[in-house]
Amino acid sequence: NAGVTQTPKFQVLKTGQSMTLQCAQDMNHNSMYWYRQDPGMGLRLIYYSASEGTTDKGEVPNGYNVSRLNKREFSLRLESAAPSQTSVYFCAGSVVHSYNSPLHFGNGTRLTVT
Amino acid sequence: GDSVTQMEGPVTLSEEAFLTINCTYTATGYPSLFWYVQYPGEGLQLLLKATKADDKGSNKGFEATYRKETTSFHLEKGSVQVSDSAVYFCARYSGGGADGLTFGKGTHLIIQP
Repeated sequence: NAGVTQTPKFQVLKTGQSMTLQCAQDMNHNSMYWYRQDPGMGLRLIYYSASEGTTDKGEVPNGYNVSRLNKREFSLRLESAAPSQTSVYFCAGSVVHSYNSPLHFGNGTRLTVT
Repeated sequence: GDSVTQMEGPVTLSEEAFLTINCTYTATGYPSLFWYVQYPGEGLQLLLKATKADDKGSNKGFEATYRKETTSFHLEKGSVQVSDSAVYFCARYSGGGADGLTFGKGTHLIIQP
């Protein structure tokens, strides 16, 4: 059972470079999410997709874009990376966009921007 | 706005000790409450939840009771094991899907043999 798979696991970028973080799930999730985790800050929502074909901003969307490519895949793009985007990024999915539908997380992508 | 406050860590205990990790939330409406756990190198996973006042969530020997009068959802376990070492996140949901899910900052728990 793959669950929620994120690639890559680690990435180092120079300031100004771009990259796309990939996320794929095989759990039939309708909703998918991107979070960032920073020391002392907990998890903060960047973007989410309540259903295929829709995307919405979360708490900290600036500097990011997302694409819900199909039901399985939800990518996060950094167009021009900045040191403030150094973080651990988590993708998550849920069956429906509801309080009663728990989130299933991937294992994270550790990104360093120098 | 909505917030969740957890005790600062790290919390270090000996194996078989009693565990309490405090969590309080802002009382806007009647949120659902959750504890998630993150083991080293992994993503978060749901540990337990409670959706209304006086509900008790439980899983893997952990328990938490939704206390509306004290706006708290403290996590407890009677006898911890080394394998319980992880980061624990309290979270509240206020509505609208995961954009309404607010996480605490996390409590790092270290259990020593």
